[in-house]
Amino acid sequence: GDSVTQTEGLVTLTEGLPVMLNCTYQTIYSNPFLFWYVQHLNESPRLLLKSFTDNKRTEHQGFHATLHKSSSSFHLQKSSAQLSDSALYYCALSDLPYNQGKLIFGQGTKLSIKP
Amino acid sequence: EAAVTQSPRNKVTVTGGNVTLSCRQTNSHNYMYWYRQDTGHGLRLIHYSYGAGNLQIGDVPDGYKATRTTQEDFFLLLELASPSQTSLYFCASSDGTGGALEQYFGPGTRLTVL
Repeated sequence: GDSVTQTEGLVTLTEGLPVMLNCTYQTIYSNPFLFWYVQHLNESPRLLLKSFTDNKRTEHQGFHATLHKSSSSFHLQKSSAQLSDSALYYCALSDLPYNQGKLIFGQGTKLSIKP
Repeated sequence: EAAVTQSPRNKVTVTGGNVTLSCRQTNSHNYMYWYRQDTGHGLRLIHYSYGAGNLQIGDVPDGYKATRTTQEDFFLLLELASPSQTSLYFCASSDGTGGALEQYFGPGTRLTVL
């Protein structure tokens, strides 16, 4: 079945260093939507980025990601981490015709930024 | 921005108790979802619906019932609550137009089963 795999567990970085959180997916559908959601402490998840177009960079709030269908990847990147980026990040996949309205979430990656 | 509200925000009950969690969305979205979130497990889908009267089984449905009474309202029912159902519960909604299924989450309900 469809699945999403993310960088495992906890990623700890020093402020100012680049961020890269990995996301790969599996689906039989040739036109999936990919999403990144962010969840700060004591908040609910909210959409950070989404993409449908192959090889097109999507940017929001300093983060960017590019959907690469050839490698089934949608990695999240930021050039310089900030303390406020500390949060739980979820990658998710939508392929409506096959999963009947479900989003397939990865297991989540906790990002911790240290001064 | 879509508005999704949940009530109650916090609930404590005892083992065997009866609990109903409520969710309302005010953007006429077709899809509504119930998730639970536990450390180490991420977001897990319990039940979802694509319209009033419709119910689809999610990935972790055991011990839960759900009902979509209107386009706006989706309820999660725990008829015999157990300590394993202690969790943070999120409701979400989505329009589903064009297959995007971008989801908007409510603030969550923290449930403790003693």
